[in-house]
Amino acid sequence: DVKVTQSSRYLVKRTGEKVFLECVQDMDHENMFWYRQDPGLGLRLIYFSYDVKMKEKGDIPEGYSVSREKKERFSLILESASTNQTSMYLCASSSPGGQRNEKLFFGSGTQLSVL
Amino acid sequence: AQSVTQPDIHITVSEGASLELRCNYSYGATPYLFWYVQSPGQGLQLLLKYFSGDTLVQGIKGFEAEFKRSQSSFNLRKPSVHWSDAAEYFCAVQSGGGADGLTFGKGTHLIIQP
Repeated sequence: DVKVTQSSRYLVKRTGEKVFLECVQDMDHENMFWYRQDPGLGLRLIYFSYDVKMKEKGDIPEGYSVSREKKERFSLILESASTNQTSMYLCASSSPGGQRNEKLFFGSGTQLSVL
Repeated sequence: AQSVTQPDIHITVSEGASLELRCNYSYGATPYLFWYVQSPGQGLQLLLKYFSGDTLVQGIKGFEAEFKRSQSSFNLRKPSVHWSDAAEYFCAVQSGGGADGLTFGKGTHLIIQP
C-alpha cells in the first residue's frame, strides 16, 4: 500500500525554536508538497519540490524553508517558530506520469502547537 | 491566479437523503478539478477528478461530480448519504501545465443527522 509518512502526529514547541517536520514517501514520487491547514482557511501551499534539491515557493512561504536531499524525503523547517505557525501541517506527494499531479497522496498530518 | 470557492462552510443532511456540495473555480483555461475528503484525524483522500472528456465523473464511495464550464462549477453529489460520509470535503483546482500544487477551497463540513 502506498504511504506518505509524517514523523510526528503531535508536536509542541516554544516560540523561537527551530522546528523540523519530516515527511517520507515510499512511492518513488518526483513531486512533494507541504501544506498547512487552518480552520476556515482550508489548505494553503507552503512549498513544493519537483526533484531532489529543487524547491519552489507556494502561496505562503514566509517563515518557512524546505530541504529535499533525497527523493523520498521532504523536510519543512521553521527557522524560528512563532505562535501564528500553530497549525496542522500536511505533506503530500505525486508522480507526474501522463498528467501532472493526477493524484496527491497525503500523510496523516502533524499538529504543531507553538507556545 | 486560480482560485476555488466553496460557498457552504457547513451542511447538515439526514441519513439517506441526497447531497450536493458546491464548488466554483476561477481559472482561464480548462482546469484539472478534484474533490478530496478528510475524515476526522485522517489525511486527505481523493474522491474523484476531472481532466477532460465526459463532464460527469464517477468517484469512490458512490460520489459523482459534474463539470459545468458555463457556470465554472464542479459540484459533488451523492444520491443517498451514510453516517460514515460525515467529514470535511475539499474541492481543488490545478492549472494544466505545471508541477505545482493544487489550490484548495476552504472546505465544507458535512454533518449527517440520524
